[in-house]
Amino acid sequence: AQTVTQSQPEMSVQEAETVTLSCTYDTSENNYYLFWYKQPPSRQMILVIRQEAYKQQNATENRFSVNFQKAAKSFSLKISDSQLGDTAMYFCASDAGGTSYGKLTFGQGTILTVHP
Amino acid sequence: SAVISQKPSRDICQRGTSLTIQCQVDSQVTMMFWYRQQPGQSLTLIATANQGSEATYESGFVIDKFPISRPNLTFSTLTVSNMSPEDSSIYLCSVWGSTGELFFGEGSRLTVL
Repeated sequence: AQTVTQSQPEMSVQEAETVTLSCTYDTSENNYYLFWYKQPPSRQMILVIRQEAYKQQNATENRFSVNFQKAAKSFSLKISDSQLGDTAMYFCASDAGGTSYGKLTFGQGTILTVHP
Repeated sequence: SAVISQKPSRDICQRGTSLTIQCQVDSQVTMMFWYRQQPGQSLTLIATANQGSEATYESGFVIDKFPISRPNLTFSTLTVSNMSPEDSSIYLCSVWGSTGELFFGEGSRLTVL
């Protein structure tokens, strides 16, 4: 069974600063996707960034980037120039690999608060 | 991208009753997924709704408790049967997009008294 672990229940950062959220996972698959989703108080789940395991290059999406360490099964999210709108719950997730698209295993989440 | 609409957005239900949640997608999709998010918790996959066949349930979830319908490629329903306070959760409908990501509806928040 897959597991995804987020060891930081809560994090806080000052506006315009950088913060890193940690995530580790365990899978026996070789090809899989990794995701970071954001859930603001409105509860709508929004994809922040996605990484395909076969790609060595770390994914970036504007202010968001990941540090993907496949051998260590680590997938951290870095948010640069933090904004008040980044305040949300962040979930790390992995899919089951193979043809199991859509079947994601989520971590417990990290509540991020951005302070003005 | 996919636009997913869920009804109801929220509801308060009495113990022992059942509630059906509807999910409508703006495009045809092969598989739809139902997730549960218990208060303050992460998301857990309940089942995969396949058009034209029975839903596939994950460990810990059974059809008698969470019957699912999938009458066509854009619509699905999830029923929460014989509800108890432990069923108080957000239930989310989702679909896998061609861009390789899971799109979610806004969720249905159920409170069982």
